[in-house]
Amino acid sequence: ETGVTQTPRHLVMGMTNKKSLKCEQHLGHNAMYWYKQSAKKPLELMFVYNFKEQTENNSVPSRFSPECPNSSHLFLHLHTLQPEDSALYLCASSQTPGQGYNEQFFGPGTRLTVL
Amino acid sequence: GNSVTQMEGPVTLSEEAFLTINCTYTATGYPSLFWYVQYPGEGLQLLLKATKADDKGSNKGFEATYRKETTSFHLEKGSVQVSDSAVYFCALSEDGGSYIPTFGRGTSLIVHP
Repeated sequence: ETGVTQTPRHLVMGMTNKKSLKCEQHLGHNAMYWYKQSAKKPLELMFVYNFKEQTENNSVPSRFSPECPNSSHLFLHLHTLQPEDSALYLCASSQTPGQGYNEQFFGPGTRLTVL
Repeated sequence: GNSVTQMEGPVTLSEEAFLTINCTYTATGYPSLFWYVQYPGEGLQLLLKATKADDKGSNKGFEATYRKETTSFHLEKGSVQVSDSAVYFCALSEDGGSYIPTFGRGTSLIVHP
C-alpha cells in the first residue's frame, strides 16, 4: 500500500459504543494529524503528533482519545459520542516539520455516523 | 495569528470556462502557500504549491502565483472540465514556529457539461 490509508471507511455507531479509527502512512513521515470535517464548517484540526509525541490538542472533548504508537500509525479511540460528532474524520501526515514545505498527505477519511 | 480567506462558493461554470478562485492570507512570517483539492468521497490532495514570492505553482492546467504585495494566491485554470468539480482549499504553512497548515474554508466548484 502507498500513501495514507484509513480504516474503516464508513462507521455507524451508537452513543454508548466504543470504536477506533485507524490511520497508517507509508511515506516515512514523522508528523501525523487528525482533522474533523463537518458539512458547512471549516476543516477542524484535532490532534497533532510529531515523532510520536502529541504536540497539539485543539480543545477536543475527552470522548476522543488519540494514540500514536509509532510514526507510521495513528489511532482515534471513540467512546460515548454525540450525534454532532458525525463527520468525516481525516488523517494526514507530513515530513519533519520545519524542514520542508510542510505539505500534507491525506487519507480518504472515515465517514462516521453517530446514532 | 495566520489566516486564509477564500471566496465563498459554490462556483458554477460551464465546461471550458475560465476559472478563478480567490485566496488571500495573513501571516506573521514568510509562508509557503498551497492549493489542495478534495474530490467527492475522498480526502484532500495537494494540487500545487509555491514557496516564495513571485513563484508560480502549476499542475493539471491549474496555476497560482504567490503575490506578496497583495498577500494573495489566486487559483486559475483556462478551461475547466466536468472532472474538475471538487472542493478547493487554499492553505499556508510556515517553517519553524507554527508549522501546522492553516486552511481556508474551501470553495466548491461545479462544472456543467
